[in-house]
Order: sequence, then C-alpha cells, then structure tokens
Amino acid sequence: KAGVTQTPRYLIKTRGQQVTLSCSPISGHRSVSWYQQTPGQGLQFLFEYFSETQRNKGNFPGRFSGRQFSNSRSEMNVSTLELGDSALYLCASSFTGYNSPLHFGNGTRLTVT
Amino acid sequence: KQEVTQIPAALSVPEGENLVLNCSFTDSAIYNLQWFRQDPGKGLTSLLLIQSSQREQTSGRLNASLDKSSGRSTLYIAASQPGDSATYLCAGAKTSYDKVIFGPGTSLSVIP
Repeated sequence: KAGVTQTPRYLIKTRGQQVTLSCSPISGHRSVSWYQQTPGQGLQFLFEYFSETQRNKGNFPGRFSGRQFSNSRSEMNVSTLELGDSALYLCASSFTGYNSPLHFGNGTRLTVT
Repeated sequence: KQEVTQIPAALSVPEGENLVLNCSFTDSAIYNLQWFRQDPGKGLTSLLLIQSSQREQTSGRLNASLDKSSGRSTLYIAASQPGDSATYLCAGAKTSYDKVIFGPGTSLSVIP
C-alpha cells in the first residue's frame, strides 16, 4: 500500500510570491491534515479536511488556505509569502481523522528568501 | 489553551537500557493519544495510538500508557538499540472533533 505522498519535496520562493503544495493520502483515507514544523514553534496544526470539507482550522492567518478534492487529494496554498513561512510542511492522512492513526508524508521543505 | 510538555527534552543512553519518555497535557481532558518518531529531515512515523476506550498499547519493545485523569502518558522502550535514535513526539486531541496538538518532542540518542 503506497504511503502519503507530498510534492514537491523542496521549494525555494521569494517574499511576496505564492506557493501550492500537494498531498496524496493513503488509498481509502478520507481525512487529510496539514502541519507546519519549525525549530522554534515545533509542529503546529494548520487545518484538516474530510470528504472535501474543512473540519478544523488552526491559528494561522488567512494567507494559508487549503482544499480537498473528491479523490481525497489535498492542496495547501500560501499567498504573499513571508520569511517566517520557511518551514517543513507536513501532511497526514487517516481513515476517519478520529481515533485512527495519523500517517505522515515526508513533507515539503519551503524556503522563502 | 491546551499545551503539551515532554520530559526530558533530550536523552542519551547506552545500548540495551530500558527508558521512559514522558508526555503531559496541561488540560487533562484527552480523548486519544498517539506517539510518533521522527528521523532527521523526514516525516513522522506512527508508533502507537491509544484510542479513546483504551489505557495502554504495546508493540514489540514499545509500551505506551495514558492516564486520562491527569493527562499524562509514558512511552516505555525496552532494550534500546542504536536504531531507536530519533525524536519522539506525543500528540493528542481533547475531544473526538478537536484538532491534534503535538508536544515539542524528546530527542533520543542510543550509544552503541
């Protein structure tokens, strides 16, 4: 069974640009959640989608948005990039999102210059 | 606001030792709890999930327990090996519909 796939693995962008990250969950998983990981703040929850609906949202500005498609694949978009957005962005999928294990991809390393 | 602490922040032990990692939630109301390991530059690997109806889970040399009344969990690693070297993170949700919150992690180094 294929794991969670995140693309691209690495991204370098300039301040003010926008970026889209992609996540393909494990087959059959309907919940996809996104996290930002930085050395200073650790792992922080961005949002969670289930059956194309955002079910939960973390405390991030509106520049961070996401969506989920009917095949459960998800995308995350960050507009007007800031230097502080440099981080490892992790996606996790699970069968239901509740009481089922989270399975993570290897992440997308975003560097904003 | 729910916060998570993990003690110790870092640990270095000789191979073969048994060790305990601790995780504590400020708000003791925990619905379920999951332990992960993370290798440098990689995503997280799920180790154990203690579901809402459970108090303990075991997998091989790993055992995790959860005391819901205190919001504390321990991860026990028996007979540690160099391959166990990684950062271990705990994560929990307050309710079945709440977001998952992660601890800062414990960095473990097992010396051959």
